[in-house]
Amino acid sequence: EPEVTQTPSHQVTQMGQEVILRCVPISNHLYFYWYRQILGQKVEFLVSFYNNEISEKSEIFDDQFSVERPDGSNFTLKIRSTKLEDSAMYFCASTDGTGANEKLFFGSGTQLSVL
Amino acid sequence: GEDVEQSLFLSVREGDSSVINCTYTDSSSTYLYWYKQEPGAGLQLLTYIFSNMDMKQDQRLTVLLNKKDKHLSLRIADTQTGDSAIYFCAHQSGGSYIPTFGRGTSLIVHP
Repeated sequence: EPEVTQTPSHQVTQMGQEVILRCVPISNHLYFYWYRQILGQKVEFLVSFYNNEISEKSEIFDDQFSVERPDGSNFTLKIRSTKLEDSAMYFCASTDGTGANEKLFFGSGTQLSVL
Repeated sequence: GEDVEQSLFLSVREGDSSVINCTYTDSSSTYLYWYKQEPGAGLQLLTYIFSNMDMKQDQRLTVLLNKKDKHLSLRIADTQTGDSAIYFCAHQSGGSYIPTFGRGTSLIVHP
């Protein structure tokens, strides 16, 4: 079965540094998502992306965050100046449509640790 | 609100049934989901139920929905060690197609 690929699996960074988390969604999918899960907490929606623009975002997704689809295959999440509270597992997901009962395909996540 | 609550851990013996529970607050939920996350892998859709149903069965899995109490459960019959994973409850409300997830329940199956 096709899968969503995320790199790196672990990222350690210093507070204040910029990080870019990378995702390769399934090739024929059109809708892309980032979620995150802080240890012990819920999986939280960050942003959805379609047709080269953000379609929906949560309150967490502030000016420090940005997303980009720089080419036909990659989908990236950038955090400009990381904070300690950005430490979390970040999941990328994709789907071929948006609507009721769409099945999201998730990557295995990038564990971000901000020191 | 869109809160989804699950207990953090469940431990069962191999061969027994497991029941993982979830409560949610959004009464306009349309679809409710169970996702499974195995170690080192992403979340995978396990099963789902539409809000006008109260039960759905798929082999060893039974989903029960009590819409009045906003309670969703996942029953796994004859639980195997391969069922050890984190199970996430999620729902999709009429206002958005973005699924809202709980924190996940770690199912531990021991011999």
